[in-house]
Amino acid sequence: KAGVTQTPRYLIKTRGQQVTLSCSPISGHRSVSWYQQTPGQGLQFLFEYFSETQRNKGNFPGRFSGRQFSNSRSEMNVSTLELGDSALYLCASSLGWAQETQYFGPGTRLLVL
Amino acid sequence: GQQVMQIPQYQHVQEGEDFTTYCNSSTTLSNIQWYKQRPGGHPVFLIQLVKSGEVKKQKRLTFQFGEAKKNSSLHITATQTTDVGTYFCAGTKRSQGNLIFGKGTKLSVKP
Repeated sequence: KAGVTQTPRYLIKTRGQQVTLSCSPISGHRSVSWYQQTPGQGLQFLFEYFSETQRNKGNFPGRFSGRQFSNSRSEMNVSTLELGDSALYLCASSLGWAQETQYFGPGTRLLVL
Repeated sequence: GQQVMQIPQYQHVQEGEDFTTYCNSSTTLSNIQWYKQRPGGHPVFLIQLVKSGEVKKQKRLTFQFGEAKKNSSLHITATQTTDVGTYFCAGTKRSQGNLIFGKGTKLSVKP
């Protein structure tokens, strides 16, 4: 099976702009979780989607949002970008529950200038 | 805030030395998972522990889950340069909750 794919791999934006990141899970996986990884804070949970519904949400401002489509593909959106949003955004899929084994994609590295 | 604490943050060892990283939670975890992230890569699942006091081995790696299900450890015997990377623990506090990751322990191995 193909692994988790994320697009784009790299992105440079300026403050105030918005960005949309895409994630395609492993075929058959219905749960998609998003994480923000920074050197200082490690891996922080953003949200999890299952069957097109947000099932769990981390402690991030409303500028961070996501959605999941009927084919389990997911997108996350960050509006009004801030310098502190520069990070590696990782998507992970699992069969059905977020606490199961997470299969991570390669990530999207976002730089906000 | 971070609810799963992991120590140490960094560990530098000579090749052949042992290495241990510890994970602690203030509340009981329903399970704990360990991941490894190589430099420039993404986290890759290593193992999951579910039972109180569980011990699992993978070649030179030994994983333990505490009796109270609040702490866990990963021990690597006789490190090799291929062990370089950041090791993360991740726990779940309830059956339908998300994984909470520790900040990771970055291991460097000097040949």
